[in-house]
Amino acid sequence: DGGITQSPKYLFRKEGQNVTLSCEQNLNHDAMYWYRQDPGQGLRLIYYSQIVNDFQKGDIAEGYSVSREKKESFPLTVTSAQKNPTAFYLCASSGANRVKESGNTIYFGEGSWLTVV
Amino acid sequence: RKEVEQDPGPFNVPEGATVAFNCTYSNSASQSFFWYRQDCRKEPKLLMSVYSSGNEDGRFTAQLNRASQYISLLIRDSKLSDSATYLCVVIVNTNAGKSTFGDGTTLTVKP
Repeated sequence: DGGITQSPKYLFRKEGQNVTLSCEQNLNHDAMYWYRQDPGQGLRLIYYSQIVNDFQKGDIAEGYSVSREKKESFPLTVTSAQKNPTAFYLCASSGANRVKESGNTIYFGEGSWLTVV
Repeated sequence: RKEVEQDPGPFNVPEGATVAFNCTYSNSASQSFFWYRQDCRKEPKLLMSVYSSGNEDGRFTAQLNRASQYISLLIRDSKLSDSATYLCVVIVNTNAGKSTFGDGTTLTVKP
């Protein structure tokens, strides 16, 4: 089935460690996104990428890094510079080049829960 | 002012009730609009796109009011299974791909 796969689903990190969350999609979508969601809060955009080898900072990029070496993959690294990384992380993708009124439907992976211990 | 604003609720309604949510957006150049549903501790899932002419899918109706810059979601004959958080999504530039999510409106349908 086509979709977005995030791994791991649950991750525990010690303070001062970098961790990388994986996101893979087989939807042939050009655009990919990373969001962070804290309990009871909305989604906040960390980074997004419109095309391979290019990405843009979102609203809360500090302490995070990404790469887009392949169309299918958009890994997120949570660095030690992120002081409060415990959250639910959601990867998403969309067909940004579709030309229709309601194009750009966003599809999400199942999310990754990161806890700092 | 946030780019996309929703009344967080919670909305507590009895089964069978009709309930409506609004979502306002600040950028008049916004092009695409969606409603998503998010269950507790799960990822958001697309509920429906919002077309200029309005659209309906079973018990759900979505409408767009460009003049007043809001979209709405109407749920008729509420079911217990409709309990969730409903997120509106606004895209300013279809080709730029950056989407803005509202913080969500929580609905609880009670027996």
